[in-house]
Amino acid sequence: GAVVSQHPSRVICKSGTSVKIECRSLDFQATTMFWYRQFPKQSLMLMATSNEGSKATYEQGVEKDKFLINHASLTLSTLTVTSAHPEDSSFYICSAIGTVLNQPQHFGDGTRLSIL
Amino acid sequence: ILNVEQSPQSLHVQEGDSTNFTCSFPSSNFYALHWYRWETAKSPEALFVMTLNGDEKKKGRISATLNTKEGYSYLYIKGSQPEDSATYLCAWLIYNQGGKLIFGQGTELSVKP
Repeated sequence: GAVVSQHPSRVICKSGTSVKIECRSLDFQATTMFWYRQFPKQSLMLMATSNEGSKATYEQGVEKDKFLINHASLTLSTLTVTSAHPEDSSFYICSAIGTVLNQPQHFGDGTRLSIL
Repeated sequence: ILNVEQSPQSLHVQEGDSTNFTCSFPSSNFYALHWYRWETAKSPEALFVMTLNGDEKKKGRISATLNTKEGYSYLYIKGSQPEDSATYLCAWLIYNQGGKLIFGQGTELSVKP
């Protein structure tokens, strides 16, 4: 089946650091990638949708200058949490789909981000 | 506000028990409903994509039904096994929004041997 690799799986860093998370589709071309955030005991909240070669579309309430998304190729999207603060600590997970919209999303394993 | 609700939030059953849980979603502008299985330390894995009212899908001991008119889907697990322990997520595909999903909170299933 389709495989999505997300890296790193865990990050612990100091406040003020910028952190980059990568999401790669290993065996298919990901036309669209989604970035989610999950708080404890809550559902996956969509942060933004990225399409290859165009600007990401952010959900209401998500700061685009804080969470920079780049989808430079059909196999790679990155999420950079800029100048991270403790309140950015969370679980972030990406998913990807190809050209058919009504297909299952293929997820990475997620990144646990802890800002000290 | 578009909302997807799952119940119960958690479920503890004995090995061999059959179980079911519910996903409620907006009945208007229905396009598709997804079910995913999420084991700890792994990525969510797709179980079903359901599109037609009255649809029933099956994968081994797991099956799902769909009622788009009243806005609910049931997931059934027959003869639960410890390896079925996971969080089961449903997600409602937003019509004409490029594949965006709204997820429920999930039902956390624990099967004791």
